[in-house]
Amino acid sequence: AQSVTQLGSHVSVSEGALVLLRCNYSSSVPPYLFWYVQYPNQGLQLLLKYTTGATLVKGINGFEAEFKKSETSFHLTKPSAHMSDAAEYFCASGTGFQKLVFGTGTRLLVSP
Amino acid sequence: DTEVTQTPKHLVMGMTNKKSLKCEQHMGHRAMYWYKQKAKKPPELMFVYSYEKLSINESVPSRFSPECPNSSLLNLHLHALQPEDSALYLCASSERPGGEMGEQYFGPGTRLTVT
Repeated sequence: AQSVTQLGSHVSVSEGALVLLRCNYSSSVPPYLFWYVQYPNQGLQLLLKYTTGATLVKGINGFEAEFKKSETSFHLTKPSAHMSDAAEYFCASGTGFQKLVFGTGTRLLVSP
Repeated sequence: DTEVTQTPKHLVMGMTNKKSLKCEQHMGHRAMYWYKQKAKKPPELMFVYSYEKLSINESVPSRFSPECPNSSLLNLHLHALQPEDSALYLCASSERPGGEMGEQYFGPGTRLTVT
């Protein structure tokens, strides 16, 4: 069975600092992996996805993530945080089936 | 265009009311989903429609009744809801149900309050 673990329910950074949000997956088959962002009272927006091929995936708003099979990780990074990045971030895993398995989410707080 | 629209944006209903939520996409996607999201929690899958047929029902109570009239439209009919059903209801669609083209695009949600 698939599962997704996001370490840290809250991450605080200063504006301009590196953002690192952690995601580990557990899957018996190669997974498809996604990062979504949710701003207050809005739906989820797809930031980036990994299916096959290049393990470093670039997404929108300057975010990227690296698929590391040996570590079963798919951490999300951004070199320099902006105030507008403050939101809830969800890592999700899917396989050939129809269900997405979501992590519990990480709230990113950005201080001036 | 990766837009999924949902109406209404907000809905307040009593426990004896009947109401419907509507979701629409014009991206030619063949899978559509309903999720329920409580505050500070990830979305919970409720239903999946694949090629206009219900393919997954996550043991959702019968007071929630989904309908997929055509490939672009998804409804969620609500009847005799409980206060604990108050939540953000999210619709999503994907080009295909799962696999490499299975990334889901979400609508903005309907904030439902049951009084």
